[in-house]
Amino acid sequence: SYVLTQPPSVSVAPGQTATITCGGNKIGSERVHWYQKKPGQAPVVVVYDDTDRPSGIPERFSGSTSGNTATLTISRVEAGDEADFYCQVWDTSGDHPVLFGGGTKLTVL
Amino acid sequence: EVQLVESGGAVVQPGGSLRLSCAGSGFTFENYAIHWVRQAPGKGLQWVSLISWNGATTHYADSVKGRFTISRDNSKNSLYLEMNSLRGEDTAFYYCARRAPNHRYFDFWGQGTLVTVSS
Repeated sequence: SYVLTQPPSVSVAPGQTATITCGGNKIGSERVHWYQKKPGQAPVVVVYDDTDRPSGIPERFSGSTSGNTATLTISRVEAGDEADFYCQVWDTSGDHPVLFGGGTKLTVL
Repeated sequence: EVQLVESGGAVVQPGGSLRLSCAGSGFTFENYAIHWVRQAPGKGLQWVSLISWNGATTHYADSVKGRFTISRDNSKNSLYLEMNSLRGEDTAFYYCARRAPNHRYFDFWGQGTLVTVSS
């Protein structure tokens, strides 16, 4: 079955840039979406359709894709950005249309 | 303001049943496909099920197929998840999430309801 692979953890100092990757052999043919999940809170979409940012999400959050990898980049990281981040695609090839990556814990040092 | 509010989570014994509800407000509920997504303790997000705007189409993750049933009542702006033959691995926060119109991501989520399967 189709799998989205994310690194389990990423650590970055405040003010630096965090990059979180999402690998899968259908990335590039499917739009990738990114969610931020903080403990006790509902997930929030921070990037959709590879590169678009919902209203209210800071410009510090950006997305890109290249080949089989999608990347979420968080510039000028703040302490409040610490959270789990998940990529998601719509997999039309099977009966399970929604697929999430395993998640990446972003730690702000 | 768009809101999704889940309810019905509880502690239930293995093999038991539970019905979760999700109430929508602040938008035209009947126009949207709605999904259930869960997160087990210490684990990642897992898609569970979806139902189309009119209830005609449903899909389930393999792990719940044959045990869970998704349904909706648009006259009550409500979504349901009937859960039978519950197992320990079903223990999780269950979230309902609205699919963004003309897109393939979730633009609004509820706060979740906790299901604990334990003897």
